[in-house]
Amino acid sequence: EVQLVESGGGLVQPGGSLRLSCAASGFIFSTFRMHWVRQGPGQGLVWVSRINSDGSSISYADSLKGRFTISRDNAKNTLYLQMNNLRPEDTAVYYCARGYRLVAPAATGGGYYFYMDVWGKGTTVTVSS
Amino acid sequence: DIQMTQSPSSLSASVGDRVTITCRASQSISTHLNWYQQKVGKAPKLLIYGASSLHSGVPSRFSGSGSGTDFTLTISSLQPEDFAAYSCQQTYSTLLSFGGGTKVEVK
Repeated sequence: EVQLVESGGGLVQPGGSLRLSCAASGFIFSTFRMHWVRQGPGQGLVWVSRINSDGSSISYADSLKGRFTISRDNAKNTLYLQMNNLRPEDTAVYYCARGYRLVAPAATGGGYYFYMDVWGKGTTVTVSS
Repeated sequence: DIQMTQSPSSLSASVGDRVTITCRASQSISTHLNWYQQKVGKAPKLLIYGASSLHSGVPSRFSGSGSGTDFTLTISSLQPEDFAAYSCQQTYSTLLSFGGGTKVEVK
């Protein structure tokens, strides 16, 4: 069964750090790009970061750049998110998601479609004193 | 960054109703638009990718349309299990973004 399981969430004081993990199973982890997405209490989904299959290409949401670091260990089938200098507004459920790439029809201009087809259940991060 | 605006933010509907949710991008994104469904306390699930392609296993009552900046998700006949939140997502830019979400509630 294809599965993603997040861990590492918890209560942390403002200015503190946490490292989230996402353990993958049931698929060849090293061939997929991966994402982190978060959702604050009662709020919408926010894309956080993406890493390609071998870790050589990384992107972050502009608002988070500099405080969060995404990484992966393909030997351990695990994705990570290092979060530093945490703020109360970082309080959220953090999801990891598998990124899938599909060739787009030529009529649409070609290229690729990207989507998130497998999601973990999420881990909760609470930043509070 | 590309901003995604969904409307309405919430709607009330009854079983059997036709429901339409719109999503507008701040710039053209061709058809690089996905729709997700999320039930309370659960992770999102992919419904539609490429603006109009139904993901495997998704019921045919769901459909998507649009290109450029304006997109629509339609549920042709709302079922009890469809009461949930729906979010659009653009993947045209390297920096991905979601709409604010639309909550479909029981009328």
